[in-house]
Amino acid sequence: AQSVTQLDSHVSVSEGTPVLLRCNYSSSYSPSLFWYVQHPNKGLQLLLKYTSAATLVKGINGFEAEFKKSETSFHLTKPSAHMSDAAEYFCVVSSRNNNDMRFGAGTRLTVKP
Amino acid sequence: GAGVSQSPSNKVTEKGKDVELRCDPISGHTALYWYRQSLGQGLEFLIYFQGNSAPDKSGLPSDRFSAERTGGSVSTLTIQRTQQEDSAVYLCASSLVGAPGNTIYFGEGSWLTVV
Repeated sequence: AQSVTQLDSHVSVSEGTPVLLRCNYSSSYSPSLFWYVQHPNKGLQLLLKYTSAATLVKGINGFEAEFKKSETSFHLTKPSAHMSDAAEYFCVVSSRNNNDMRFGAGTRLTVKP
Repeated sequence: GAGVSQSPSNKVTEKGKDVELRCDPISGHTALYWYRQSLGQGLEFLIYFQGNSAPDKSGLPSDRFSAERTGGSVSTLTIQRTQQEDSAVYLCASSLVGAPGNTIYFGEGSWLTVV
């Protein structure tokens, strides 16, 4: 069985300040991990993914995440928040065969001017 | 098509009626997923299809929910005798299967409101 826990349901930052969205996972196998973003009234869009290659993964829009096996974490970061980053972010863990994806509850990111 | 296509995009139905939601995955994708997202909630897994294998129905919340996938492509999610708690966004997704960590692509969702 596998699961993912997003540690914050809501994060609020000021524009231009760093973003940190936290995710911890549990998996019986070496997992694949993803971050998806969902803007209001929009579908889900892949930000980045980790699949056992480099532990530091760079994604779109300046986001990156680091896979830390010892901490079972896959936190999402961005050096400088932009207003357009305001959205819901989902951390996802997948089994090796990609047939069992489990989503976190989501973290709502608010960016203040 | 270029992406995962879902229809209808919005559906308002009366309590007790049946509804059908359609998903057209990306061409060539053998894996198809249905998820549900209720207001203010995360995504809830419903069902997973992979090629000709028996679907994983472990996420279906009740026997009022069913899904089929014809010809390994288009899928229909059916909700019988709808209840108000069925109101949610129903998301379909598809992916290639074979290599670990294949990206799953989502449709825009079908917004269901049961009144």
